[in-house]
This record gives sequence, structure tokens and C-alpha cells, in this order.
Amino acid sequence: AQSVSQHNHHVILSEAASLELGCNYSYGGTVNLFWYVQYPGQHLQLLLKYFSGDPLVKGIKGFEAEFIKSKFSFNLRKPSVQWSDTAEYFCAVRRTGFQKLVFGTGTRLLVSP
Amino acid sequence: ETGVTQSPTHLIKTRGQQVTLRCSSQSGHNTVSWYQQALGQGPQFIFQYYREEENGRGNFPPRFSGLQFPNYSSELNVNALELDDSALYLCASSNRQDGSYEQYFGPGTRLTVT
Repeated sequence: AQSVSQHNHHVILSEAASLELGCNYSYGGTVNLFWYVQYPGQHLQLLLKYFSGDPLVKGIKGFEAEFIKSKFSFNLRKPSVQWSDTAEYFCAVRRTGFQKLVFGTGTRLLVSP
Repeated sequence: ETGVTQSPTHLIKTRGQQVTLRCSSQSGHNTVSWYQQALGQGPQFIFQYYREEENGRGNFPPRFSGLQFPNYSSELNVNALELDDSALYLCASSNRQDGSYEQYFGPGTRLTVT
């Protein structure tokens, strides 16, 4: 069965620190990859997505992610976090030809001012 | 542009009862997906509706059922509620024709089963 693993369940950083959240998936075929964010009290929002082409994708709010096919990974990065980045981050995978998104368990990020 | 809306926001039901949750898709979207998000977990795919028919289903029993209406809005029905059905139920809409497969999520309905 297809699965998505997010290794960091809780991350605490100070403002201006760099961020990298890991995401690995188990499916070997062609996939579409997504990172969603859920700010406190708000609904899931798309940060960025990868379908094809340049494996380094840029999203909103200064986030980027790199797709490494050989490692089945799609890690999320931000060079300098802000207090407003405090949220829960979900990696999701869609297998080509299927409609459903398979989500990881999420990573709670707390950025201290 | 109106986003995805869901109703009700919160709901408390007793074990064995039935519940109906509602979702209005974003303007221009023809596909609705439903997800269950238990506490501390990522969303789990329940099923998807396209052209008023179920189009893909996750690992959920038949007591989870749904409908999609001609205006693309949707309902999720859960019969014979169990305590483990307590969760946040998310609706997501998308446009199957635009090729992006990007799903836009609503705020969710928090269901508590006692």
C-alpha cells in the first residue's frame, strides 16, 4: 500500500533559523507531490506542488521543496522561518491515474520569537 | 470567488445514530473529495464524487456513503456511528478538467460521537 512518512512529528525553532521537514513516500510509479499547511484555527492550504520538470519547486511564503526521485523524497525547506510559520505541515502524494491524496501524519512546527 | 464551505461546523452525536455532513464546492469545481482526519493524524481519503457518481473509495466501510448534486455540492452520510468516527471531516473540491489535481479544502466539520 502506498504510504507517506514524515519523520519529524514536532519541530521547535527560533525565528530566523532554517527549516527542513522530511517526507518520503513508498510508491515507485509516477506521482504528484504536495505540501499543505494548516495554520492554527484555519483550513488546509496548499504551499506548493510538484508534477514534473524542475525538481526544485517554489511555493508561497518563501517555502521550497526538492523532489529526489532516487530517494523517494520531497523535503520542504525555508531558509529563515518566522513566528507566523507556526503551523502543522502535511506532505501528500497522488499516484498518477488516481484521484486520492495520501497524506503523511503531519509535522507540528513551533517557531519561537 | 467563493471557497469551499462545510456545514455544520461542529456536531455531537450518540453511538448508533446517523449523521449527514454537507459541502459546497468552490466555484468552477466539479469534483468533491471527502477525508477523515483523526486527532494527531493526517487526513485519510474516504471517497470522491465526480459527475454525481462515486469515483474512488478509500478503506472505509459501506456505512460511509455520499452524494453529489447537479450543482456539485456534496453530502457525506455516516450510519451506525461508532466512537472511532469522532474526527474532523474535510471536504475538498477540484476541477478534474484543468489537469492540476489541486484540491482546495474546506474548514471541516468536527464530529464527536459519545
